[in-house]
Order: sequence, then C-alpha cells, then structure tokens
Amino acid sequence: QVQLQESGPGLVKPSQTLSLTCTVSGGSISSGGYYWSWIRQHPGKGLEWIGYINYSGSTYYNPSLKSRVTISIDTSKNQFSLKVSSVTAADTAVYYCAREKGVGATDYWGQGTLVTVSS
Amino acid sequence: EIVLTQSPGTLSLSPGERATLSCRASQSVSISYLAWYQQKPGQAPRLLIYGASSRATGIPDRFSGSGSGTDFTLTISRLEPEDFAVYYCQQYGSSPETFGQGTKVEIK
Repeated sequence: QVQLQESGPGLVKPSQTLSLTCTVSGGSISSGGYYWSWIRQHPGKGLEWIGYINYSGSTYYNPSLKSRVTISIDTSKNQFSLKVSSVTAADTAVYYCAREKGVGATDYWGQGTLVTVSS
Repeated sequence: EIVLTQSPGTLSLSPGERATLSCRASQSVSISYLAWYQQKPGQAPRLLIYGASSRATGIPDRFSGSGSGTDFTLTISRLEPEDFAVYYCQQYGSSPETFGQGTKVEIK
C-alpha cells in the first residue's frame, strides 16, 4: 500500500519561500508511469493543481504559478519536494502531495499539511 | 485552460435516495481523463471514478460515472450515511489539470 506524507514548516513569512517535502513509502518513486503531484486547497475552497514531476525529473506546472514554483525529486530518499517563492497570504492553503498514474488519475494522496503565510 | 462547472452547488437528499451530480467542461475532455473524487471534512480527496466511468479500487458499485465530450455525471444509486460529503470532478488530460468547484451532498 503506497503512502505519502507531507512535511515542512506550517508558518511562512510573506515574501519568503515555502518548502515542503513528500516522503513516499510502500513503493518506489523511481517506478515509471507515475507523476508525483502537488495540489493545494485554500481554506474552505476547492482544489488547485500546482504541478507534477516524473521519475526522470520532467516537470509540468500550472501556468498561474509557474514563475514561482519548483518541484524536484530525490529518488535516493524516495521523496519529492515543492518550493513556492515570494509567498503572500494568498498562498495560505492545505498542500497535498499525491500520485497520479496517467489515465488512472490521482489514486494516492497524502493527508495534507496546512501552510499559513503570515508575519 | 479547461473550466469545469459543477451543479448543483448543494444537493439535499435523504439516505436511500439517488444522487445525480453534473460536471460540465468549457471544452471537450478526452473521455479517458475525467475523474471524480469524494472529500470529507479534514480528509484528503478520495478517488472514486477515473476515465469517466471506471470505478477505482474498493469503490462500491453504487457509485457510477458516465458522460463524454463536455458533459459528465456522477450517480450514487442509493445514498448511504457515509456518502454525505463534497464531490469534485477533475480533468487531467489537458495541462493545466483543473477541478470543478465541488458539489456538497448534505443530509436533508
């Protein structure tokens, strides 16, 4: 059973960089055919796709965030990471890491972590 | 970007009733790339349907998906107490992937 777990600071100051890591267990992040995703949910709102990365490091980002987002992968640690630069209060959200398997959609999700942007 | 519009915003029903949720896309979605998720308070979304009509692993057969092109439907044949939640559709065939705004199914 694949499990994903987000980790990182719950509070980030405005203009700083938000950094989160997702640790994958129960399966190898190096397996082909999967996209390792970040999705966020503003408080009381819907879901927003941030982007994903595959095992070879190819990335795809939401254009609305592309200039501020970097997703990276560390296959030796079975982890992938998210960085969002120049954060504002509008970046306050629950951040989920997840696994997408192409036509099979996003089948495994982390529990989510709330990141608040505030001074 | 493909905009997904879900209706109704809220559906008030009783256990045992049938729920019909709609998801309309601003442009055609590949039939293989439309999914439905269920989300309960404080929990991550759970995949119900992928490829418009295929049930995910472990999903009861009272959940079914249908549709093509720009119009898709999630049907819950007989609502169980645990089905009261928010439901999202998602298209994942065009970048950026997008979600609908959600339909809340509440107890009447």
